[in-house]
Amino acid sequence: RKEVEQDPGPFNVPEGATVAFNCTYSNSASQSFFWYRQDCRKEPKLLMSVYSSGNEDGRFTAQLNRASQYISLLIRDSKLSDSATYLCVVGRLGASKIIFGSGTRLSIRP
Amino acid sequence: GAVVSQHPSWVICKSGTSVKIECRSLDFQATTMFWYRQFPKQSLMLMATSNEGSKATYEQGVEKDKFLINHASLTLSTLTVTSAHPEDSSFYICSAPGTSGETQYFGPGTRLLVL
Repeated sequence: RKEVEQDPGPFNVPEGATVAFNCTYSNSASQSFFWYRQDCRKEPKLLMSVYSSGNEDGRFTAQLNRASQYISLLIRDSKLSDSATYLCVVGRLGASKIIFGSGTRLSIRP
Repeated sequence: GAVVSQHPSWVICKSGTSVKIECRSLDFQATTMFWYRQFPKQSLMLMATSNEGSKATYEQGVEKDKFLINHASLTLSTLTVTSAHPEDSSFYICSAPGTSGETQYFGPGTRLLVL
């Protein structure tokens, strides 16, 4: 079983739609959680960290459920520029080592 | 914000040659850097952890004699793909953890094509 699992998609949704991605992790010792986005042929870029209380950044909302070892990302009012691969990333406190999920591809159509 | 650079950004070489990729932290010191490899339509796979002044730590299944890592200074780590073969063609990305340890700063990646 992979340490971080994501639905690979692709998700193909119209502009303006709301889309949600889920991610599960297997190591209960994981302490830090992130969503990254990666555009084609580019390096990953941090989208947002994920905190236990949940956090929001504009149209993006991230939630963490430690009991279920589950992380989610919600994108509201999606834009064409949101088309990318979204990577769920899990790390262990003090180790700096992070593990990437396989990514979920999102395509926004006009 | 912190910047990590990589050089070269892309390289094409013949099978059997060795290729060196440099990863530099431009405005901060990094005692640790990470090297990842990404094949098409797959996620980033951690290859090794580069430690300044000591030996790198390799992930299971990664050949340390094939992927030589040198972290000679607090701002530079190098990955050398020795005797490269077509199956080594991939996107190689390095990263360095931020000072808070909370996040990683990624280099722009190096695309390697071995003919």
